[in-house]
Amino acid sequence: GNSVTQMEGPVTLSEEAFLTINCTYTATGYPSLFWYVQYPGEGLQLLLKATKADDKGSNKGFEATYRKETTSFHLEKGSVQVSDSAVYFCALNTGGFKTIFGAGTRLFVKA
Amino acid sequence: DVKVTQSSRYLVKRTGEKVFLECVQDMDHENMFWYRQDPGLGLRLIYFSYDVKMKEKGDIPEGYSVSREKKERFSLILESASTNQTSMYLCASRERDRGLGYTFGSGTRLTVV
Repeated sequence: GNSVTQMEGPVTLSEEAFLTINCTYTATGYPSLFWYVQYPGEGLQLLLKATKADDKGSNKGFEATYRKETTSFHLEKGSVQVSDSAVYFCALNTGGFKTIFGAGTRLFVKA
Repeated sequence: DVKVTQSSRYLVKRTGEKVFLECVQDMDHENMFWYRQDPGLGLRLIYFSYDVKMKEKGDIPEGYSVSREKKERFSLILESASTNQTSMYLCASRERDRGLGYTFGSGTRLTVV
């Protein structure tokens, strides 16, 4: 079946460090891929998305590239800030109603 | 700014009570969803609706029902609340194009005592 695997957290970084959160997926066909972010006490917000192979989604300095050959959609940011501390979810949709979410990766950024 | 609004941020209910969680979206989205989020279990889909009066079970529908009488409103009902339904409940909506992603509400943290 379809699934999403994210790196386990928490990830702890100093401000201005480079961030990578790994995400790999298993899916039939050509899924759409998403990253969502959840700040403490809030719901999830769509951060970025990509709908076909080699697409790059980007928003607020975050980027992720849809790599079909490695079935990956890793999230990157060149210089993290304390305000980026949150839980990040990778997700996929294969065209049906259901979206499959990863378990989430908690990021802590220290000043 | 487009929005999904959940009626309560925090709720405390007693075991056996009937509980209503309300969700309203102002984006004219066809699809609406209810998830629960628990530590270590991630997001689990309870029910979804693809149109007015239409509903489908998700992965964990037991103990829940839903109602969608108007396009903008999707209600989750706990028929007889139990302590194992203590959780964060998240409502989301989406356009028909599944490549566009969800818009989530801020969540309702429900405690059943």
